[in-house]
Amino acid sequence: KNQVEQSPQSLIILEGKNCTLQCNYTVSPFSNLRWYKQDTGRGPVSLTIMTFSENTKSNGRYTATLDADTKQSSLHITASQLSDSASYICVVRRNSGNTPLVFGKGTRLSVIA
Amino acid sequence: NAGVTQTPKFQVLKTGQSMTLQCAQDMNHEYMSWYRQDPGMGLRLIHYSVGAGITDQGEVPNGYNVSRSTTEDFPLRLLSAAPSQTSVYFCASSYLDSLNSPLHFGNGTRLTVT
Repeated sequence: KNQVEQSPQSLIILEGKNCTLQCNYTVSPFSNLRWYKQDTGRGPVSLTIMTFSENTKSNGRYTATLDADTKQSSLHITASQLSDSASYICVVRRNSGNTPLVFGKGTRLSVIA
Repeated sequence: NAGVTQTPKFQVLKTGQSMTLQCAQDMNHEYMSWYRQDPGMGLRLIHYSVGAGITDQGEVPNGYNVSRSTTEDFPLRLLSAAPSQTSVYFCASSYLDSLNSPLHFGNGTRLTVT
């Protein structure tokens, strides 16, 4: 079954600290993996996309990794800020099917002062 | 550039009432879709469209209808609202010609059915 599992469900960290969010998937055939950030009361916004050949990609203080062999991705946030408080959703695209996107349930991150 | 616009932002319905959630995008995206987001469930696909005049069912289509008469608009109709349809609804759009095209989401409609 095509599934995307994210951990932890929720996380509280102090401002300035680093954190890592995990995404494990069983989606096949794999096309790409995308991380979205969803602020409270808003729609998700794309942070970064990982394709099969990419191991790591940075977008400012966000660094995503992908291990296609173990079917795992992580999103590392460096020097967290209060504005990083949001839900982070991992979405994997299959290479086939009419509804190719498989959504994780998200990790709720709270950054506190 | 407005992106994806959803109206209304909030709505309260009584059981059995019908209503239409509006979605419009100004990016000339071929693909449009509706999701519902419930606590602990993640985003679930209701209906989608790959172009004007073409719609199809997603994962949870029962109780909802859609139409796509123009590229820009993709309304979602609740035929007879039920408490189980209490949720936050998101409309999203993207280009079709690239597997790497991201979804662009609206800011949601929070619907309560009493």
